[in-house]
Amino acid sequence: AQTVTQSQPEMSVQEAETVTLSCTYDTSENNYYLFWYKQPPSRQMILVIRQEAYKQQNATENRFSVNFQKAAKSFSLKISDSQLGDTAMYFCAFSRYNQGGKLIFGQGTELSVKP
Amino acid sequence: GAGVSQSPRYKVAKRGQDVALRCDPISGHVSLFWYQQALGQGPEFLTYFQNEAQLDKSGLPSDRFFAERPEGSVSTLKIQRTQQEDSAVYLCASSKGQSFIEPQHFGDGTRLSIL
Repeated sequence: AQTVTQSQPEMSVQEAETVTLSCTYDTSENNYYLFWYKQPPSRQMILVIRQEAYKQQNATENRFSVNFQKAAKSFSLKISDSQLGDTAMYFCAFSRYNQGGKLIFGQGTELSVKP
Repeated sequence: GAGVSQSPRYKVAKRGQDVALRCDPISGHVSLFWYQQALGQGPEFLTYFQNEAQLDKSGLPSDRFFAERPEGSVSTLKIQRTQQEDSAVYLCASSKGQSFIEPQHFGDGTRLSIL
């Protein structure tokens, strides 16, 4: 079975600085997808970024980028130029090929951006 | 509609009562997912539909949980004889196609409290 682990329950960062959230996962699969989702207090999950396991190049979306280390089964999220609106719970998630998109989530990291 | 709509937003029920939670996916979305999110935890997969077919119900915690999507659009998650451990936020998500790589769009969830 696949598992996703986020070892940082809480993190904080000063506005405009950079922060990195950690995620590790366990799988015997070779093909899969990894995601980072943001969940603000409003509860709606918002997709931040995703990475295909077969791609070596790390995904980037504006201020958000990932460091994908397939051999180490590590998938960290870097947020540059942090903004107050980035304050939220962040979840790392895993999806296997041929499972229709079922997501397996980590426990989450609560990020606070301080002015 | 513009997004995934869930109702009610909050539901309080006494232990032993039956409840029904509704999800209206984005129009035309083929895939629909239900997740259960306990307080302070990441969401856990419950079940998955492709159109009206329930392709995976491996995450349903007991036979008290039942989900349907009879016309391939609106879905209802029913919990019979509710128990206190059923208290959680229930999230619904939909995605455009049948491919697992399509991003999931989440609703705001229904917060269920069992007294």
